[in-house]
Amino acid sequence: DIQMTQSPSSLSASVGDRVTMTCRASQRIGDYLNWYQQKPGKAPNLLIYSASSLHSGVPSRFSGSGSGTDFTLTISSLQPEDFATYFCQQSFSNSEWTFGQGTKVEIK
Amino acid sequence: EVQLVESGGAVVQPGGSLRLSCAASGFTFDDYAMHWVRQAPGKGLEWVSLITWDDDRLDHVDSVKGRFTISRDNSKNSLYLQMNNLRTEDTALYYCARDVASSGSGTFDYWGQGTLVTVSS
Repeated sequence: DIQMTQSPSSLSASVGDRVTMTCRASQRIGDYLNWYQQKPGKAPNLLIYSASSLHSGVPSRFSGSGSGTDFTLTISSLQPEDFATYFCQQSFSNSEWTFGQGTKVEIK
Repeated sequence: EVQLVESGGAVVQPGGSLRLSCAASGFTFDDYAMHWVRQAPGKGLEWVSLITWDDDRLDHVDSVKGRFTISRDNSKNSLYLQMNNLRTEDTALYYCARDVASSGSGTFDYWGQGTLVTVSS
């Protein structure tokens, strides 16, 4: 299985801050990398697919980059509704798709 | 509006069985592959099962192979997960999720709110 490792596991930031989190794959996965946002008690929502494409309806302050094994999710100006946990997920394999353990964004 | 509504979660003893259901609306159900993804309490996400639009391909994570079976009824816009020989480690919130493709790409663009399965004696 392809292992996905996210860092940091949590971070504290203020409204308006630029926030960056990373995801590393245990093998090269091209750009087959998705990002999801999950708020407490809610289902995950797709934010970014194919490493850098914004899902419909997602604000442009979210952006993704990277390819191969190293990927980044950036929130350009953190908003109150962005406090949540963010998961990366590889869609490279034909099955056994795997997620990172998550990065929790908390209010500073 | 795409809607996915899961049901069937319950408290069950180890070794027991459950059948989860997911009712889909707001899109052409048989145009998409569907998945089950689970999340143990306070933990991360784990993909469980895939079924393509035409049932041509079914797949499950190794830890549930031989115990869980995914199925769908396109005439009823419904997805199912038959869970047998349940173990305590199967305790989780089970989400129904839509794939962006009919053949199963592994990208999940819409999710239900989940149904809770608790395996405990």
